[in-house]
Amino acid sequence: GENVEQHPSTLSVQEGDSAVIKCTYSDSASNYFPWYKQELGKGPQLIIDIRSNVGEKKDQRIAVTLNKTAKHFSLHITETQPEDSAVYFCADNAGGTSYGKLTFGQGTILTVHP
Amino acid sequence: EAQVTQNPRYLITVTGKKLTVTCSQNMNHEYMSWYRQDPGLGLRQIYYSMNVEVTDKGDVPEGYKVSRKEKRNFPLILESPSPNQTSLYFCASRTGDASQKLFFGSGTQLSVL
Repeated sequence: GENVEQHPSTLSVQEGDSAVIKCTYSDSASNYFPWYKQELGKGPQLIIDIRSNVGEKKDQRIAVTLNKTAKHFSLHITETQPEDSAVYFCADNAGGTSYGKLTFGQGTILTVHP
Repeated sequence: EAQVTQNPRYLITVTGKKLTVTCSQNMNHEYMSWYRQDPGLGLRQIYYSMNVEVTDKGDVPEGYKVSRKEKRNFPLILESPSPNQTSLYFCASRTGDASQKLFFGSGTQLSVL
C-alpha cells in the first residue's frame, strides 16, 4: 500500500523563525497533497493543498512545494507565531483518484516559543 | 454551522463490552470516513462510505463495524472492544466530487481497560 513518510516528528522554533516539514510518498499516481493542522483537543483542519500540476502554492505565511520527480512535498511556515503551535499532517491520495482515500503521514508536533 | 459531530468525546469501557461512537454531518456530504490516531502512526483509515448503503474497509478495519443507513450518519461499532483499540477516533466527511477537502469531527478518546 501507499506509504507517506513525514519528518521531523517534532520541531521547536522561536517566534519569527521559519519552520519546514517534509513528506515523501511512494505512489507515483498520487496527484493531490494536502496539509492539515490539528490544534489541541480539535480535529484536523485543512490549511493548504497542492495538485500535481503545480510546483508551489502560497497562502499568506504558509506555502507548499512539490517535487514530483523526487516524490516529496514540503510545508513552509514563515514568521512563525505561537498560535502556529499544533500537530501538522501531510497526506496524499494514493492512486490519484478523486474519490479515493487520503493516506496520512505520521504527524509533526510544532512548538513555537514566544 | 457546517460541522461533523461525534459523540461521545470521551469513553472509558472494559474489554468485550459493545459500544457505538456516533457521527453526524450536516453538509449533505456523500463521503464519510473513520480514522484512528495513534502516536507515531498518524491517522489511519478504518472504514469509509461513498454513499448510503455503500461502505468499504480502510487500512485497519479489524475489530470494527460501520453502517450507513442515512446520508448524514455514519456510526462506528466495536462489537467486542480490546485494549489495542484504545485510541483517538475521528470521523470525517467530504463531498463526492473532485474537491477532496475532509471535514473532521472533534474526536472521541476511547480507553478500553
